[in-house]
Amino acid sequence: AQSVTQLGSHVSVSEGALVLLRCNYSSSVPPYLFWYVQYPNQGLQLLLKYTTGATLVKGINGFEAEFKKSETSFHLTKPSAHMSDAAEYFCAVSGGGANSKLTFGKGITLSVRP
Amino acid sequence: DAGVIQSPRHEVTEMGQEVTLRCKPISGHNSLFWYRQTMMRGLELLIYFNNNVPIDDSGMPEDRFSAKMPNASFSTLKIQPSEPRDSAVYFCASSTNTEAFFGQGTRLTVV
Repeated sequence: AQSVTQLGSHVSVSEGALVLLRCNYSSSVPPYLFWYVQYPNQGLQLLLKYTTGATLVKGINGFEAEFKKSETSFHLTKPSAHMSDAAEYFCAVSGGGANSKLTFGKGITLSVRP
Repeated sequence: DAGVIQSPRHEVTEMGQEVTLRCKPISGHNSLFWYRQTMMRGLELLIYFNNNVPIDDSGMPEDRFSAKMPNASFSTLKIQPSEPRDSAVYFCASSTNTEAFFGQGTRLTVV
C-alpha cells in the first residue's frame, strides 16, 4: 500500500523567491514518485517523475525534486518563483509496473506575491 | 495524439437523473483511471482498469456508481440516480505503467 503526506494546504512566496513544497511518502515496494500541477479549471499536468536511477530529477518550468529514500521524501523546489507558478501542486506515488495505481496527496496551493 | 478526451466538459442535472461521463484514453495506454475531485476530499480514485478489466473499484462510493470499459478506446462512468453530493469534477486518466495523463475533467453539478 502507498500513501502521500503533503503538510499544509497553502504556501505563499514572493516573486523571485525559492519555492519549496514538501512531500513524504509511504510505500511497501520501491516507489515511483510524481509531482503534478493543476491550474484553475484544468486537468493535472505532470511536472516531473522519479522511477529509478538519478535521485535528482528535473522537470518542466524550472522545477526539480530529489528522492531521498532515508527520509521517505520527494520535495519539490524551484530557485526563483514566477507569477505563472501560482497553482495547486500534487505529489503522488505508485508501485510502478502492473501496480500502477497513483495515490495522491491532498495538494498544496502555491500563491506568488508580486 | 489529442490526449485523454472527456465529455461533456460540464453537466448540470437534476437530482434523481442518470448521468453518464465518457472518456477516450490515449491510444496504446493500457491503464485507465477515474478520479473525483472535491474541495472537501481532494482527489479520490474511484476505479481503475488494466487492459479493459476492472482491477480496483474499492473507491466507488456506492452502488449508484458504475464504470465500464467495453474496449481499449472508451470508458464510461455512470451515476444513477444522481444526488447533490455527487457534484464534483470527475477526471479520467490513462497510463502505460508509469505516469498518468489526465483529461480536462467533467464538472458535474446536481441540483
